[in-house]
Amino acid sequence: NAGVTQTPKFQVLKTGQSMTLQCAQDMNHNSMYWYRQDPGMGLRLIYYSASEGTTDKGEVPNGYNVSRLNKREFSLRLESAAPSQTSVYFCASSPRPDSGNTIYFGEGSWLTVV
Amino acid sequence: SQKIEQNSEALNIQEGKTATLTCNYTNYSPAYLQWYRQDPGRGPVFLLLIRENEKEKRKERLKVTFDTTLKQSLFHITASQPADSATYLCALAFIWVVTNAGKSTFGDGTTLTVKP
Repeated sequence: NAGVTQTPKFQVLKTGQSMTLQCAQDMNHNSMYWYRQDPGMGLRLIYYSASEGTTDKGEVPNGYNVSRLNKREFSLRLESAAPSQTSVYFCASSPRPDSGNTIYFGEGSWLTVV
Repeated sequence: SQKIEQNSEALNIQEGKTATLTCNYTNYSPAYLQWYRQDPGRGPVFLLLIRENEKEKRKERLKVTFDTTLKQSLFHITASQPADSATYLCALAFIWVVTNAGKSTFGDGTTLTVKP
């Protein structure tokens, strides 16, 4: 049982390049999330998907797009990377949109934009 | 806007003592408050959840209290061990607020170091 798996673990991009962070969960959860974590700023929600077929903006969505491919997979795309997007990205899932449920996190993806 | 403050970025204590971490918030009280542990280079891991109508929750050496009057949660680790050294995050969920439905807001975390 892998839980939440995200790839790649590390990535260096040049300004203006695009890339997609992949995420999959094997817990049959309905809700999935993408967070970014920066020193001194904590975890900030980028986008979330309450259930398959729906996505919604979080606190910091600008510069990102998401796709809920199916119940298991939720990808995050940077269309034109900027140095301000240098961060650690976490994918997460929970059984339901109700935030009273435990949120399960992946191991993180370290992204550097130069 | 809602703000969450966790006491001092770092807390150093001696092994065997009780560590107490604080999570303060402004404005509305959350429906749920959760505590997570994060080790360096890893994703956060869920520890405890407490609901707005609960005063206290315990799990082994961990205890969480929730005071909606003070707008504060306290997280205690008794008989602390060096292995408890990590960053601890609190997360608040305001599910009754339509625009926040299904989303949790995280504090910046407190880094605990337990010295042998």
